[in-house]
Amino acid sequence: AQTVTQSQPEMSVQEAETVTLSCTYDTSENNYYLFWYKQPPSRQMILVIRQEAYKQQNATENRFSVNFQKAAKSFSLKISDSQLGDTAMYFCAFMKHGGMIQGAQKLVFGQGTRLTINP
Amino acid sequence: KAGVTQTPRYLIKTRGQQVTLSCSPISGHRSVSWYQQTPGQGLQFLFEYFSETQRNKGNFPGRFSGRQFSNSRSEMNVSTLELGDSALYLCASSLDPPQETQYFGPGTRLLVL
Repeated sequence: AQTVTQSQPEMSVQEAETVTLSCTYDTSENNYYLFWYKQPPSRQMILVIRQEAYKQQNATENRFSVNFQKAAKSFSLKISDSQLGDTAMYFCAFMKHGGMIQGAQKLVFGQGTRLTINP
Repeated sequence: KAGVTQTPRYLIKTRGQQVTLSCSPISGHRSVSWYQQTPGQGLQFLFEYFSETQRNKGNFPGRFSGRQFSNSRSEMNVSTLELGDSALYLCASSLDPPQETQYFGPGTRLLVL
């Protein structure tokens, strides 16, 4: 079974600063995806970024980037130039590759990191 | 393109009752997954449907069931509600593989009294 661990329950930074959220996972799978989702106070779960395990290049989406270390099973999220709207709960999630037959597999989530951006 | 929609958004029930939650996926998405979110257990996978068939199931009792219709809309049902069923129920949809990224709806908040 896969497990995802987020060791930082809460973090707080000033607006415009850079912040890094940590995530480690445990799996024996070789083909999988990793995700970061954010859940603001509205409770809507929003996809931030996705990484395919077979890709060595780290994924980036505007101010969001990841540091994917497959051997270390580490997947951290860096938020640059943080904004007040980034205040949310951030979840790291693992999903093994299902393929055409098995299809979409379940997301395994970490416990989340509550990030607060202060003005 | 409209996102995943869930109805109702809020629900209050009493112990022993049953409840049905509805989820409409993003147009073109045929896979629908359901998750339960509670403060104590976090986010847990309930089940996944594709083409009206349940393909994957989490570790929940048989009181939790679901189905999917031919238009990909999905419902989940919880019978004989317990206080511990109070949670945010999230639905997510995805395209066929290999595009397996799941996109979430706003959730249904269920309170069992």
